Amino acid sequence: DAGVIQSPRHEVTEMGQEVTLRCKPISGHDYLFWYRQTMMRGLELLIYFNNNVPIDDSGMPEDRFSAKMPNASFSTLKIQPSEPRDSAVYFCASSPSWRGTTDTQYFGPGTRLTVL
Amino acid sequence: GDSVTQMEGPVTLSEEAFLTINCTYTATGYPSLFWYVQYPGEGLQLLLKATKADDKGSNKGFEATYRKETTSFHLEKGSVQVSDSAVYFCALSDTIQGAQKLVFGQGTRLTINP
Repeated sequence: DAGVIQSPRHEVTEMGQEVTLRCKPISGHDYLFWYRQTMMRGLELLIYFNNNVPIDDSGMPEDRFSAKMPNASFSTLKIQPSEPRDSAVYFCASSPSWRGTTDTQYFGPGTRLTVL
Repeated sequence: GDSVTQMEGPVTLSEEAFLTINCTYTATGYPSLFWYVQYPGEGLQLLLKATKADDKGSNKGFEATYRKETTSFHLEKGSVQVSDSAVYFCALSDTIQGAQKLVFGQGTRLTINP
């Protein structure tokens, strides 16, 4: 199995630009999670999906952030407009179901975003 | 809300030394507990987990026991190797709306010198 795939691995952009991060979960996993990792705040859950439907987006920092999952094999996290404080590593993770809830989460390699 | 507190790093040890990384948690209910490891430039990988009190998770020589009475899940390894150098995250799962929402500690950077 290829594991969770994220692209791009690195993104450098200027303040005010739109940024789109992409994720392909492991086939057969019906939960998908987006996390952000910074030195100051550690790992934070931004949003998660179940069967392509957003379930909990309470971690999304503000309206500049949006996430979609148009099908079971693809999700995007978009930031528009981007700001320097959005600089972080963004991880996608997927998980199969187990007894009505999620099982172990498998993480992608992350996208390192730098906003200048 | 639920939280995880980890031993602050960085931690530097010599090869073959004994390792302990402390982790304590605060939770309502009965969470599952996890240790994840992050090698340089990579995403997090599950190292071990325990789903109920007194369970011991183990993998690659690492062990951790779910201690409900002390709300702890300390990570141990008897003899570390240079290849164990990484950042280690303790986490608990909080089931919300049907999914295990992971709450992570701040991470502990471990460096093993030859």
